[in-house]
Amino acid sequence: QKEVEQNSGPLSVPEGAIASLNCTYSDRGSQSFFWYRQYSGKSPELIMFIYSNGDKEDGRFTAQLNKASQYVSLLIRDSQPSDSATYLCAVSRIYNQGGKLIFGQGTELSVKP
Amino acid sequence: EAGVTQFPSHSVIEKGQTVTLRCDPISGHDNLYWYRRVMGKEIKFLLHFVKESKQDESGMPNNRFLAERTGGTYSTLKVQPAELEDSGVYFCASSQGRGQVQQYFGPGTRLTVT
Repeated sequence: QKEVEQNSGPLSVPEGAIASLNCTYSDRGSQSFFWYRQYSGKSPELIMFIYSNGDKEDGRFTAQLNKASQYVSLLIRDSQPSDSATYLCAVSRIYNQGGKLIFGQGTELSVKP
Repeated sequence: EAGVTQFPSHSVIEKGQTVTLRCDPISGHDNLYWYRRVMGKEIKFLLHFVKESKQDESGMPNNRFLAERTGGTYSTLKVQPAELEDSGVYFCASSQGRGQVQQYFGPGTRLTVT
């Protein structure tokens, strides 16, 4: 079993729709949860992080965490073609300071105009 | 503010040769990480420096890999001798000290071992 699992996609949504990206993790000791966006050939870029159960919103992005179910999701509202990228879920056992990230394989998102 | 920089951007070497990758973190960042992504796999952690000290090197695959961060500034990752399975993209990331969780990634070095 992989430590962090994501559907590889591709996930295709029309422009303006909500894109829902999901991630599960196996280590119950995980404390911090991250969503990175990676455009083809570029470096990963952090877009959201969450520590506590529930929702965290930032603009068009909402991260959702359910530690009991070991599940993290990212919702992108009003999806734009510029959101087309690979989205990486990452977790850490460390809270609020440096520590290694465990990544999933990423979900490729395609937003069609 | 300059981001994380890595050199070279690409390297093609033959099996058995030595390659040294360099990472310059964002100025003032105490934490420096090395990660690697091999074809078709997820990004995997290699090691973590806090200033010049190795905080966690649990991801280093074997003793052919040597990482250093002299003076707590830039870091090098040497692979000697390189094997075919070492091919992949090597990312460096940095973050500030306690309380700062965001890791800023460099553009990566694509290593091809033939």
